[in-house]
Amino acid sequence: AQKVTQAQTEISVVEKEDVTLDCVYETRDTTYYLFWYKQPPSGELVFLIRRNSFDEQNEISGRYSWNFQKSTSSFNFTITASQVVDSAVYFCALSVTNTGTASKLTFGTGTRLQVTL
Amino acid sequence: SAVISQKPSRDICQRGTSLTIQCQVDSQVTMMFWYRQQPGQSLTLIATANQGSEATYESGFVIDKFPISRPNLTFSTLTVSNMSPEDSSIYLCSVGPGLFDTQYFGPGTRLTVL
Repeated sequence: AQKVTQAQTEISVVEKEDVTLDCVYETRDTTYYLFWYKQPPSGELVFLIRRNSFDEQNEISGRYSWNFQKSTSSFNFTITASQVVDSAVYFCALSVTNTGTASKLTFGTGTRLQVTL
Repeated sequence: SAVISQKPSRDICQRGTSLTIQCQVDSQVTMMFWYRQQPGQSLTLIATANQGSEATYESGFVIDKFPISRPNLTFSTLTVSNMSPEDSSIYLCSVGPGLFDTQYFGPGTRLTVL
């Protein structure tokens, strides 16, 4: 069975601060995908990034960066110079791919990020 | 990514009634899923909507309570039957596989049951 743990329930930062959202996952499968989604107050779930289990290269996209470490089963997400518009709930998710079809996503409990002026 | 729409976007319903939620995609997709997000909680998969056959339900969800239809590769419906206040949630459909197994989500339907 798969499991995703986001230990941080809520984080509050002041604008322009850097913030890291933690994600720890558990799976016995060797092939899997990890995701981060953003859910703003409107409720829509916005895809941010996907990483497969064979690609440990870290990724940077603008103010966003992701650190994937298989040795610690972690896939952490850092926002640099946070902005008020970053305020949302962020979900980490895991899927185990079988025969190339999209498998169900196992979500963490989410981290609510509040960025204030 | 595919453009996904859901109807209604929100609704307030009375206990004991049923509501059907529609999910429409602008392109043919292989997989469609329905998730529930209870207030302040994470997302839980209800079922996988299979085109031309019965949906595959996750543990804890049954067809009598959440009947699902998928008549073609771009459309699916989820019905929440005999509703109670505990069914108050956001219901989201998702589609996949996208590029590298990514699932994309619709805007969600906010349901309140009184």
